[in-house]
Amino acid sequence: DAGITQSPRHKVTETGTPVTLRCHQTENHRYMYWYRQDPGHGLRLIHYSYGVKDTDKGEVSDGYSVSRSKTEDFLLTLESATSSQTSVYFCAISYSGFEQYFGPGTRLTVT
Amino acid sequence: QQQVKQSPQSLIVQKGGISIINCAYENTAFDYFPWYQQFPGKGPALLIAIRPDVSEKKEGRFTISFNKSAKQFSLHIMDSQPGDSATYFCAALPGGNEKLTFGTGTRLTIIP
Repeated sequence: DAGITQSPRHKVTETGTPVTLRCHQTENHRYMYWYRQDPGHGLRLIHYSYGVKDTDKGEVSDGYSVSRSKTEDFLLTLESATSSQTSVYFCAISYSGFEQYFGPGTRLTVT
Repeated sequence: QQQVKQSPQSLIVQKGGISIINCAYENTAFDYFPWYQQFPGKGPALLIAIRPDVSEKKEGRFTISFNKSAKQFSLHIMDSQPGDSATYFCAALPGGNEKLTFGTGTRLTIIP
């Protein structure tokens, strides 16, 4: 998985609780991305980062925030989880902004 | 709105046959078109990609055909094997933009 790890790999949480997912890379790539994958929707971009402390919104950013204080780490936070945020979350990295390499995913269930 | 339309949703092909998955787009600013392969429980993996300055790109048994005037591109898997059974996603990236837009995926099953 191209030197990308995601943690946790599985999480069950209750509605209204905050949740933070972590993406860690060892490739020193500039770009990092968070996607969610849901049946019938493919992969949808939540947020991405083009450098330390440089982030931008994607297609489905409402209810999510991100932070990148180091090149290797990109955090995704659900401030107050809702059942509609039950999904599989993938982190991806890219050196150039073209080829993207995905992590193994985090399965999040919000009850 | 769905900027990249992918079809079919699912596809069953006999071993040794040709698998064909199609994608269409509207945004003429797209200038990079990758395909990803995903096995159950894994993240998507980049398979092959094309830019609009060529009409075809081949890597092993995998070929992308690109029709710029029709705004369509397709993935052809020759001599399909059971190990090719996976979900395939097309995607498109506009020039100067890091936001990749994905199709909704095609679940491919290769039967013996």
